[in-house]
Formats: sequence, structure tokens, C-alpha cells
Amino acid sequence: EVQLVQSGAEVKKPGESLKISCEGSGYSFTYYWIGWVRQMPGKGLEWMGTIYPGDSDTRYSPSFQGQVTISVDKSISTAYLQWSSLKASDTAMYYCARRQSGEDAYDIWGQGTMVTVSS
Amino acid sequence: SSGLTQDPAVSVALGQTVRITCQGDSLRSYYANWNQQKPGQAPVLVMYGKDHRPSGVPDRFSGSRSGNTASLTITGAQAEDEADYYCNSRDSSGNHVIFGGGTKLTVL
Repeated sequence: EVQLVQSGAEVKKPGESLKISCEGSGYSFTYYWIGWVRQMPGKGLEWMGTIYPGDSDTRYSPSFQGQVTISVDKSISTAYLQWSSLKASDTAMYYCARRQSGEDAYDIWGQGTMVTVSS
Repeated sequence: SSGLTQDPAVSVALGQTVRITCQGDSLRSYYANWNQQKPGQAPVLVMYGKDHRPSGVPDRFSGSRSGNTASLTITGAQAEDEADYYCNSRDSSGNHVIFGGGTKLTVL
């Protein structure tokens, strides 16, 4: 079964760092772009950026450039999203998703990781 | 504008046909993809590219494009189609993926 499994929910304080993960299985992880999408409570989907596991080529949305870091360890089929200093406004559900080959469609989504930042 | 615009809410009577639209300048160059999200769940891709349905998506879902507007049509809407629908495509620069603001579909 093709799937993306994300790490569990996190509760953090402002200023703390965080790295969440997204592990792919059931397909050749190296050859598909992985995207990250934010969904703030009660709001819509926002594309944050994407990474190609084969060569770690990374692209960021202008809205998220400099705010987060996307990385990958292809040896364990896992992509990451990290923050160096969290803010309350980072409270959201974060999804990883596999970009379909040749399209901008995301055909496989992770279950989501809820990040809560509160003092 | 480099964004994608969707109507916030649309309703349809059970069994009737509904069209959900997505407008944006970039859609003259790029196809829209459509994602369905039910409460408390991750999004699911329901249409992509010119008019392609992923395996398992009912054939009552179809897609089209005219000028700067992409449409997702549900022919014979079912209660289980009640969800939020998000289009996504590229921005006008072609460098980044963007999502529309989403449309909440209510099946009456």
C-alpha cells in the first residue's frame, strides 16, 4: 500500500524548535516530490514548499521562505519540516503529500501532524 | 492576481448536479487539480490534469477548463460528497504551487 505516515501531534512553547517527519512506503520514495501543506484551525490549505528526495532540490513558497526548513533523508524514505523558533501563529495541522509524477497534483496525503504552540 | 479564487460555499439538492469553480490567471496556462476534504480528515485528490480521475473516485466527478476558470462538476450529488473542495495549480510565475481558498459543499 502506498502511504505517507507522519509523526505524532506536538505541543510546544514559543521559541522552541521542532522537526516533524513524513515517512513514505509502498513506492520508490526517491522519485516523487514531497510537498508540505499548512492548514490553520478552521482555514484553508496553504502550500509551504516541496523537496525532491533524489537530489534534495527544495522549493519554498515566498510566504514560508526563511520561516521553515524542508529536508529529506532518502535512506529512510523520510521527509522533514522544521522550525528553529516556533510562534503561536505556527499552530496548525501540517500535511505532507506526494506529488504525482508529471503533474502538480498531490495524489497521496499523510494523515497530518497537529502542532500546537502555546505558552 | 496570482491567486486562485473559489466561492466560499455552494449547495446542491441530493441527486442534482453542481459545479464548483476556481478562477485565476494561471489557469490559462496550467490545469487545476481538485482535492476533497471531509471534517477531521486529510485531503483526497478527486480530479487532476485535463480531466483525470484517480482510481476509486466515482465517475460522477468530472473536470473542465474554460479560459481562466476551472470547474469540478458532480453529476448526481450524494450525501457523502458533502465536504470542502480545494483547487490547486501553479501561480502566474509558474514557480510555485497555490491552493484556492476552498468551497464548502452542502448536499441538501
